[in-house]
Amino acid sequence: AQTVTQSQPEMSVQEAETVTLSCTYDTSESDYYLFWYKQPPSRQMILVIRQEAYKQQNATENRFSVNFQKAAKSFSLKISDSQLGDAAMYFCAYRSAMSNYQLIWGAGTKLIIKP
Amino acid sequence: EPEVTQTPSHQVTQMGQEVILRCVPISNHLYFYWYRQILGQKVEFLVSFYNNEISEKSEIFDDQFSVERPDGSNFTLKIRSTKLEDSAMYFCASSEAGDRTQPQHFGDGTRLSIL
Repeated sequence: AQTVTQSQPEMSVQEAETVTLSCTYDTSESDYYLFWYKQPPSRQMILVIRQEAYKQQNATENRFSVNFQKAAKSFSLKISDSQLGDAAMYFCAYRSAMSNYQLIWGAGTKLIIKP
Repeated sequence: EPEVTQTPSHQVTQMGQEVILRCVPISNHLYFYWYRQILGQKVEFLVSFYNNEISEKSEIFDDQFSVERPDGSNFTLKIRSTKLEDSAMYFCASSEAGDRTQPQHFGDGTRLSIL
């Protein structure tokens, strides 16, 4: 069975600085999809960025980028120029490319932005 | 931007009572999901639904749970006889297709409290 691990329960960063949130996963599959979701205090789960395992190029969305290391099964999220609105819980999630539809989630990292 | 909406935002129910959680997925989406998050724990997959039938369910989704799409817009989760351990945040999600590259869009969640 696949598992997702986020080893940092909480991270803090100064506004305008860069922060990296770590995520590792365990799978025997070669084809899958990885996602980062953000959950602000408003509770809505918002997709931040996604990565297809067959793509070597790291995904980027504005200030958000990932460092996808397939061999190491690592999928970290880098947030550049951190803003107060980035404060939230960040969840890493895995989705198989096989018959499963479900997302498998990490425990989350609480990101605090210091003004 | 279209959103997944969930009602109510908070539901308080006596143990043993039936509860129905409601969701309105994004209108052109065809795949629907329920997840739950017990306080302090990981988000867990419950069930996925497509073409008026369950496409996948987890071990959590036992006979006490059922899902239904009673009309063209609502997607409901029913818990027949609630237990204390059913207390959690319940998230509904939808996606445009079963294509694993398509992200799941989440609602704000319903906080279910069982007394």
